[in-house]
Amino acid sequence: EAGVAQSPRYKIIEKRQSVAFWCNPISGHATLYWYQQILGQGPKLLIQFQNNGVVDDSQLPKDRFSAERLKGVDSTLKIQPAKLEDSAVYLCASSSGKRHGEYRQATNEKLFFGSGTQLSVL
Amino acid sequence: RKEVEQDPGPFNVPEGATVAFNCTYSNSASQSFFWYRQDCRKEPKLLMSVYSSGNEDGRFTAQLNRASQYISLLIRDSKLSDSATYLCVVKGNTGGFKTIFGAGTRLFVKA
Repeated sequence: EAGVAQSPRYKIIEKRQSVAFWCNPISGHATLYWYQQILGQGPKLLIQFQNNGVVDDSQLPKDRFSAERLKGVDSTLKIQPAKLEDSAVYLCASSSGKRHGEYRQATNEKLFFGSGTQLSVL
Repeated sequence: RKEVEQDPGPFNVPEGATVAFNCTYSNSASQSFFWYRQDCRKEPKLLMSVYSSGNEDGRFTAQLNRASQYISLLIRDSKLSDSATYLCVVKGNTGGFKTIFGAGTRLFVKA
């Protein structure tokens, strides 16, 4: 089974430039997540999609960040314009999103992560 | 208050030691709980889910206390290969079921 695909693997830009990241989740996974992980910290949820709808984007800096999942499959995350503090690893994850009893639910909610995009803003 | 809080690290332990990590969460409506492991410069991977009755997987034991909103992970007989960051993860059952990670606790196991 193919895993979560992300690109690019690395990106270096100057502040005020724009950047876009792409994610293709595991086939059939309804839920897609974008996390930002700053060095030494845990992943911070930026946005969570269920199919092509947004279920949480409360921590997404909407003045500069945008994300879409138009057909409910792959997704893009954009930063425009970038700031120095945006330097981080951007992780995409997916889960099946199906809901059942506790044990099956826990299994179906397992997050599968891509390798991430390491962004450096200079 | 952070939604998910973990013990600050790092923990430095010798091989064979038993080590415990703690985690508290603020949302009483949280429904699912997990421990993830993250190796240096790698993506997080699921270590184990945490069930209401507590559960064990080899040398790893997870406990959940809903009344205290507290989760724990116990590692027995630590191995060098257990050196990693351990992330506590909480998922709600309302408001979109968002999945929140703690900041992580770093573990170093020494020979």
